[in-house]
Amino acid sequence: QQQVKQSPQSLIVQKGGISIINCAYENTAFDYFPWYQQFPGKGPALLIAIRPDVSEKKEGRFTISFNKSAKQFSLHIMDSQPGDSATYFCAASMRRAGTALIFGKGTTLSVSS
Amino acid sequence: DAGVTQSPTHLIKTRGQQVTLRCSPKSGHDTVSWYQQALGQGPQFIFQYYEEEERQRGNFPDRFSGHQFPNYSSELNVNALLLGDSALYLCASSLGSLGGNQPQHFGDGTRLSIL
Repeated sequence: QQQVKQSPQSLIVQKGGISIINCAYENTAFDYFPWYQQFPGKGPALLIAIRPDVSEKKEGRFTISFNKSAKQFSLHIMDSQPGDSATYFCAASMRRAGTALIFGKGTTLSVSS
Repeated sequence: DAGVTQSPTHLIKTRGQQVTLRCSPKSGHDTVSWYQQALGQGPQFIFQYYEEEERQRGNFPDRFSGHQFPNYSSELNVNALLLGDSALYLCASSLGSLGGNQPQHFGDGTRLSIL
């Protein structure tokens, strides 16, 4: 059973456009939702994270939108740049069961110039 | 400020062999988690070490074992290697003493290939 479902699997966006990646989760006990960016040959790098007591968090060009009732959260990348081309993973964890991250399957983003 | 470092970067083994991977956490971090990332997939949690003890374990067989040393560095050991163990093994560190969900910072991993 996949606890965190991520879509789309791949995404192509024009330079300057908005990239949107979505994730859905099943377990309402999850209380921490980070997004990671991974370039080929590198480990995942933490981009931004949110907790369920807020509906939106923004850091620079990256925004997380969180919908607790729908059990969904999404990553928005504004003014997408070729340097943003990478694989993005959403994840979730629950404090009461330790802090293991449960990852989605990833979205490969290509930003064309 | 050194980030998470892992060694070796690449490793080739044959079926049935044993392997040890190493991880040094980010400066100031006391908790180490290990993940397995198959090609084209998201990382899967193996286990986590805090205060030199295994604090949490994912759905991996006993062939996977680990250790944490007093300086917070960690090792991942895999026995009786199978072809399916071929993957990128990632180490992540965090500050567990603060409690709750703290940001986990990943190293660049060890690419393990089983022939």
